[in-house]
Parts: sequence; C-alpha cells; structure tokens
Amino acid sequence: LAKTTQPISMDSYEGQEVNITCSHNNIATNDYITWYQQFPSQGPRFIIQGYKTKVTNEVASLFIPADRKSSTLSLPRVSLSDTAVYYCLVEVTDKLIFGTGTRLQVFP
Amino acid sequence: EAQVTQNPRYLITVTGKKLTVTCSQNMNHEYMSWYRQDPGLGLRQIYYSMNVEVTDKGDVPEGYKVSRKEKRNFPLILESPSPNQTSLYFCASSLYEGTRELFFGEGSRLTVL
Repeated sequence: LAKTTQPISMDSYEGQEVNITCSHNNIATNDYITWYQQFPSQGPRFIIQGYKTKVTNEVASLFIPADRKSSTLSLPRVSLSDTAVYYCLVEVTDKLIFGTGTRLQVFP
Repeated sequence: EAQVTQNPRYLITVTGKKLTVTCSQNMNHEYMSWYRQDPGLGLRQIYYSMNVEVTDKGDVPEGYKVSRKEKRNFPLILESPSPNQTSLYFCASSLYEGTRELFFGEGSRLTVL
C-alpha cells in the first residue's frame, strides 16, 4: 500500500513562515493534491488544492514539483490560531489517501 | 448555513447490535463519502458515492454498508458492529467527484463494547 508521509510534528513561533511537506509516490497523474487543517473535536477543513507548480490563496501557498512525488504547504506568518493538525490528500489507484498528518504547534 | 450534519455525535453500543450513522448535506453536492479516523492510522476512506444510487468501496469498507437513495443523505450502516469499529467517523461532501474540496461533518464518535 502506497504511503503518504508527513513529519509527525513541527514547532514554530508567531509571525514565522511554516512549510510542511508531504511525500506521495504513485499518485494519480491527473488528480489534485489537497491540504486540510483539523482542530480537536472538529472535521478537517479545506485549505488549498493544486495540480502542479504553485498555487496561492488568501491563507496558504502550495508548491508541487514537476514529478509530483511531494508537495509543500506554506503558511505565511503563522499565528496561535494556526495550531492544528495538517493533512495532505492524494488519489492513489482510485482511492483517496490522507497523509499521516503533521501536528503544528505555534508559540507566542 | 451550508453544512454537513452527522447523527449521532456520540454513541456507545454493544457487539452485534446494528446501528446507522446518518449524514445529510444541504449544499446539493453530488459526491459524498465516509471516513474513519484512528490514532496512528489517520483518516481512511470507507465508502464513497458519486451520485444517487452510485456507491463504491474506499480503502477500508469491510464491516460497513452505505446507501444513497437521495442526493442529500448518505447513511453509514454497521450491520454487526465489532470492537475494532470503535472509531471517530466523518462524513464529507463535495460539489462533484473531481474536486477534492471536501466539506466535513463534525464527526461521530462510536464505541463498540
């Protein structure tokens, strides 16, 4: 079973940029790479999705290299409220597979 | 308010007693899906539905059934629950199958004794 791996945890301070990487082999060639944020006792919430190169919205950027074997979620100037678990989501052989999740802790 | 609603939010049951977790969305979404979330294993897809009367297995479908008779509803059925189905369950929907912008419910925590 193809694994979609992420660092288990990351620490940061308010105002810093945070980059979280997801490694995903054998993903579908024509499907999105998507990232979610999850707070305790809540369902995951959509952050951003992209197919290739770079995508930016009002809260994050997503960088995808040409081989699509990884992706990096970039959170500019994090705040305390960005403390959460972050998941990537990819399609592998017609199945949606979530990454292992990265727990981001933001300190004042 | 656009939302995905799951019920019950919490349930304790015993092995073998059939139960249904309901899921309803008010966004006219075509695609709906169920996930379970377990410590150390993350979120895993159980079943999904691309439209009414169209359902398919996800990554971990064993022990579960689903139906999609109406566009807004996608219940998850555990015919004979077992302790290894103790988990946190999430329902999600999206406008169509090709987008990965999923809207999740608040979750249903199920304990099977």
